[in-house]
Amino acid sequence: DTGVSQDPRHKITKRGQNVTFRCDPISEHNRLYWYRQTLGQGPEFLTYFQNEAQLEKSRLLSDRFSAERPKGSFSTLEIQRTEQGDSAMYLCASSPKGGGTGIPYEQYFGPGTRLTVT
Amino acid sequence: AQSVTQLGSHVSVSEGALVLLRCNYSSSVPPYLFWYVQYPNQGLQLLLKYTSAATLVKGINGFEAEFKKSETSFHLTKPSAHMSDAAEYFCAVSDIYGNKLVFGAGTILRVKS
Repeated sequence: DTGVSQDPRHKITKRGQNVTFRCDPISEHNRLYWYRQTLGQGPEFLTYFQNEAQLEKSRLLSDRFSAERPKGSFSTLEIQRTEQGDSAMYLCASSPKGGGTGIPYEQYFGPGTRLTVT
Repeated sequence: AQSVTQLGSHVSVSEGALVLLRCNYSSSVPPYLFWYVQYPNQGLQLLLKYTSAATLVKGINGFEAEFKKSETSFHLTKPSAHMSDAAEYFCAVSDIYGNKLVFGAGTILRVKS
């Protein structure tokens, strides 16, 4: 079990450019989550997948954001036409399973991708 | 909607002193509550979680938290602070479907020698 990995760890881009981040969850975890964390704040939920299905998206996820998990394994988060307000840490997490009511499983977080938009 | 309030954005204690980090939640249904720790430039690590089995929850690194329904609180404590405890701590509540975590704003713990 190698943990959740994210790539890249840091990304500096100019306003208006597109960026894509990758997350590799713990193997056999069928739930994958994306959060955004800005300076001085706690992480905020963006979206989550169960296997390849994207089941919920936050209002924070504007039309410029898109996330995929094509084969139910790794996931990508793309931001188009980046803005300075997109500068943040983007965190990925995975959990063993879920669905319906019941005790939630622990979410395991990756190290994050820090995005700086200049 | 669920929410979490962490009282005190910064807490400073001396090494060996009691650590108390405060968390109050708002939830219309029985909550599931978590404490995570984040070291600089790292992801979040789970310290402990409350899932209604016991009101006093013990976690890693000597931390524990007590769920008090009447006070809607889930404060984190450690009897004796260590320098390695210096980090940012987040309290979080899960929605009833376990689909996402709602985090507080975090408390930065500083440990003085």
